[in-house]
Amino acid sequence: QKEVEQNSGPLSVPEGAIASLNCTYSDRGSQSFFWYRQYSGKSPELIMFIYSNGDKEDGRFTAQLNKASQYVSLLIRDSQPSDSATYLCASFGNQFYFGTGTSLTVIP
Amino acid sequence: KAGVTQTPRYLIKTRGQQVTLSCSPISGHRSVSWYQQTPGQGLQFLFEYFSETQRNKGNFPGRFSGRQFSNSRSEMNVSTLELGDSALYLCASSPDGNRETQYFGPGTRLLVL
Repeated sequence: QKEVEQNSGPLSVPEGAIASLNCTYSDRGSQSFFWYRQYSGKSPELIMFIYSNGDKEDGRFTAQLNKASQYVSLLIRDSQPSDSATYLCASFGNQFYFGTGTSLTVIP
Repeated sequence: KAGVTQTPRYLIKTRGQQVTLSCSPISGHRSVSWYQQTPGQGLQFLFEYFSETQRNKGNFPGRFSGRQFSNSRSEMNVSTLELGDSALYLCASSPDGNRETQYFGPGTRLLVL
């Protein structure tokens, strides 16, 4: 079992819809959680991080954390074709673990 | 400010050889982390250096090693290359080691034949 699990997708949503990306983690000692966006052939870029239970919003992005369920999610509102990318979830406790990523395609 | 730079960008080696990859962090950044990305395993943390000291290490064999110089530039070495070492090797720098302020370089793509 990997430390961080993500549905690999692909996930397709129409332009303007909400994209929901999910992630579970196994290390209860994990303290911080990250979402990265990676365009094909490019490096990951950090788009959200969250430490506390609940929601954290930044523009069209909302990260949600539920430590009891060991669950992290990312919501992208008003999805745009430019959001089409692979989204990586990561946890950090004693070590930095990444999921294998969810491929998102936003259809114009 | 210039971003993280990695050299070389592409590399082809044969099994049994060794390879050294270089990473120059953003000016003023003292932390450099290295990652391996493969289609099967995804992104995996290799190690982190801060002010020339290895601060954290992932679950990779001893064939993978690194170091950091006084100017914060870092090198990663892989000895006795195996086919499975073919991957994109990414380095990331941050001012203080915090993941929130970490920026990735473009990566070095290594192919082992």
